[in-house]
Amino acid sequence: ETGVTQTPRHLVMGMTNKKSLKCEQHLGHNAMYWYKQSAKKPLELMFVYSLEERVENNSVPSRFSPECPNSSHLFLHLHTLQPEDSALYLCASSQDYMASGSTGELFFGEGSRLTVL
Amino acid sequence: KNQVEQSPQSLIILEGKNCTLQCNYTVSPFSNLRWYKQDTGRGPVSLTIMTFSENTKSNGRYTATLDADTKQSSLHITASQLSDSASYICVVRGFSGGYNKLIFGAGTRLAVHP
Repeated sequence: ETGVTQTPRHLVMGMTNKKSLKCEQHLGHNAMYWYKQSAKKPLELMFVYSLEERVENNSVPSRFSPECPNSSHLFLHLHTLQPEDSALYLCASSQDYMASGSTGELFFGEGSRLTVL
Repeated sequence: KNQVEQSPQSLIILEGKNCTLQCNYTVSPFSNLRWYKQDTGRGPVSLTIMTFSENTKSNGRYTATLDADTKQSSLHITASQLSDSASYICVVRGFSGGYNKLIFGAGTRLAVHP
């Protein structure tokens, strides 16, 4: 069992559905992240939360909506997605958000495999 | 532009053989470089971290090297095992636009066959 848990592991949805991905970290970290992983492409950073405040939003379409109710939980709400949004969505946490004294190690969950029909 | 390029894109080797994966980067200023291993259906897990002053670091059968002058890193796997089959991702931490940033490579997909 990893310190970062994601649910569901697999999700199939139609373009008109609304669903949510959930992430929970048990490491006492202050920063949480959503990444998108597509085949043969580098991980794409979507959102970053530090101490429950959103600190980065990398031009992500509004059909993706993050929520961070506390430092241990992170959600990604999905609505009216497109087939090209099919990918592996990875949640990660780190001790602090890019603090100068930290090494920047990310601890990843096992991912949520999303298929949009 | 900050970039991380990995080669080869994919690699097939026989069990017991050695292999070397490459990572070239243009990230500047450089803070550190980390190699992650991602098993199929799992999230990436850190293997090793290299800072500016380190040339070589080993973690069991994995040895990472860093040449900060040429901006190149390699990950050498010795006596490969079936469990080494995974994607290996190179991540460079730099500084861009006033913030620390992590720049990811696209990964090398390694398959170890019996």
